[in-house]
Amino acid sequence: GDSVTQTEGLVTLTEGLPVMLNCTYQTIYSNPFLFWYVQHLNESPRLLLKSFTDNKRTEHQGFHATLHKSSSSFHLQKSSAQLSDSALYYCALSDLGGSSGNKLIFGIGTLLSVKP
Amino acid sequence: AQTIHQWPVAEIKAVGSPLSLGCTIKGKSSPNLYWYWQATGGTLQQLFYSITVGQVESVVQLNLSASRPKDDQFILSTEKLLLSHSGFYLCAWSLDRATEVFFGKGTRLTVV
Repeated sequence: GDSVTQTEGLVTLTEGLPVMLNCTYQTIYSNPFLFWYVQHLNESPRLLLKSFTDNKRTEHQGFHATLHKSSSSFHLQKSSAQLSDSALYYCALSDLGGSSGNKLIFGIGTLLSVKP
Repeated sequence: AQTIHQWPVAEIKAVGSPLSLGCTIKGKSSPNLYWYWQATGGTLQQLFYSITVGQVESVVQLNLSASRPKDDQFILSTEKLLLSHSGFYLCAWSLDRATEVFFGKGTRLTVV
């Protein structure tokens, strides 16, 4: 079945260093829709980035990601981490083709902790 | 503007007791509705989704049920709670499949 893999459970960085959170996925569908959601402490998840276009960079709030269908990846990056970026980040997959219904499959999440 | 309201904000319930969590969405007609569950320290897991009134699809079996009695209302319930039901329950909506999902503020459930 469909799955999303986030290899790092916890990433600890010093403020100002670059951020890279890994996300790979498996799906049989040819039109996957990939998302990054961010969840701050005691809040609900909210959308950070989304893409379904192969090899096109998408950006929002200083974060960026590029969907690479050849490697089934959608890594999240930021050039310089800020203290306020500390949160739980989820990569998620959906299917534009429709046959999987309305499933949105989440990875296990990566907790990003930015230190001064 | 669309708003999503979940109730209650938090519950402490005994094992074996019934549960009913609710969610309403205002400002959007015929949204897709979802229930998600997040165990403490765990990932988000989709439980149910509904694309129209009266139709609910189960994604994961957790001895829970869901209903959509009105276009803007989604209810999650069970007659007998288990300890494993503890966690954070999130109601969410989207315009269509695979588009952005908007989450409510959630209900934190503790089963004792």
